[in-house]
Amino acid sequence: GAGVSQSPRYKVAKRGQDVALRCDPISGHVSLFWYQQALGQGPEFLTYFQNEAQLDKSGLPSDRFFAERPEGSVSTLKIQRTQQEDSAVYLCASSPSTGVEAFFGQGTRLTVV
Amino acid sequence: QKEVEQNSGPLSVPEGAIASLNCTYSDRGSQSFFWYRQYSGKSPELIMSIYSNGDKEDGRFTAQLNKASQYVSLLIRDSQPSDSATYLCAVKHSTTPTFGRGTSLIVHP
Repeated sequence: GAGVSQSPRYKVAKRGQDVALRCDPISGHVSLFWYQQALGQGPEFLTYFQNEAQLDKSGLPSDRFFAERPEGSVSTLKIQRTQQEDSAVYLCASSPSTGVEAFFGQGTRLTVV
Repeated sequence: QKEVEQNSGPLSVPEGAIASLNCTYSDRGSQSFFWYRQYSGKSPELIMSIYSNGDKEDGRFTAQLNKASQYVSLLIRDSQPSDSATYLCAVKHSTTPTFGRGTSLIVHP
């Protein structure tokens, strides 16, 4: 497809369960970002990749959050031992290079019950 | 701490009017500025980018940037009910866009 693709679109997890969220960026895009968006708030930065290198993970809220992009294309955001406060929409965005606009996927809505 | 501030609104304007959305940012080294539109339950959609001081027009949209005042705005002319959405300002210093919380715009017929 032409756009950023995220899966699953919706995920319900029991508290304590591990989840994995997938992002397939636009082909050829070097930069990849993960954001967390709570209801009524703007997207909050989680982590940034340039190709396979994770250059900034300063936004990850705890060590339960882990992201990877091993081959510089698809990325996975993993949340271990999910908590209710992890409930949010997780957005992935990609950009052809630094300094230019980023394009978002549809997001994954995570609900922890 | 890089901050991007927006009035959460809602900003309510009548159909056909000009809607003015404002954003201030704290990082003087910021170089790239973006406006995204986000409909309820959807992901942000890029509508404008601006990189230098002044105005940039694209159809009914005009972005205005004043780096000295650390201020960026979005004007929407001839507002339509379909413009009703949350408008997110994003500011990029080097690699990572920082977003404001967004301004909710309501265009009423």
